[in-house]
Amino acid sequence: QVQLQESGPGLVKPSQTLSLTCTVSGGSIRSGTYYWTWIRQAAGKGLEWIGRIFSSGSASYNPSLKSRVSISIDTSKNQFSLMLSSVTAADTAMYFCARDVADDAYDIWGQGIVVSVSS
Amino acid sequence: DIQVTQSPSSLSASAGDSVTLPCRASQNIHRYLHWYQQKPGKAPQLLISTASSLQSGVPSRFNGSGSGTDFTLTISSLQPEDFAIYYCQQTYSTPSFGQGTKLEIK
Repeated sequence: QVQLQESGPGLVKPSQTLSLTCTVSGGSIRSGTYYWTWIRQAAGKGLEWIGRIFSSGSASYNPSLKSRVSISIDTSKNQFSLMLSSVTAADTAMYFCARDVADDAYDIWGQGIVVSVSS
Repeated sequence: DIQVTQSPSSLSASAGDSVTLPCRASQNIHRYLHWYQQKPGKAPQLLISTASSLQSGVPSRFNGSGSGTDFTLTISSLQPEDFAIYYCQQTYSTPSFGQGTKLEIK
């Protein structure tokens, strides 16, 4: 079955760029029916949608983060990636990647990766 | 932005009880509303999509209803594994989540 796994640094310095990758296994990221999504959750807080990408490379972002975020896809590696620039402590969170099965409902999630922003 | 409100933020119940968790959107979102369950240290699990569609493998004691601005998730005959945090999510516009309702054991 399809599985997702996040990877990347667990610690990023303020003002730098957070970079994470989600590797999809057990299925092709090129499947034409799914969007691939990033979501984050600060400790003890709720969930925040960051953005999503289709296999064509078409992406959309949360307006609150749009000026700092970029999501890309590498179909040859079955991966999609998140870049968030100019990070501050407010970006400290667990970051999840997920598959959007339809209507932005996320049926498969990675286990999540904790990213701390600190000097 | 569409605001999604879940109140109460916590709810106590006993195993075997039935509970109803409400979710309200700040404007009409038709049926673009999904429900998730999250346990400590785990990713959320999709329970119900588009207000009332039960996901494969989710027990039938979970039931979603509503449309427009008011939605509910009903869990009948609570099982020990059901004590968790429940989030609703609107996807009519930029996706957003409610703050969650923590279902606790009484």
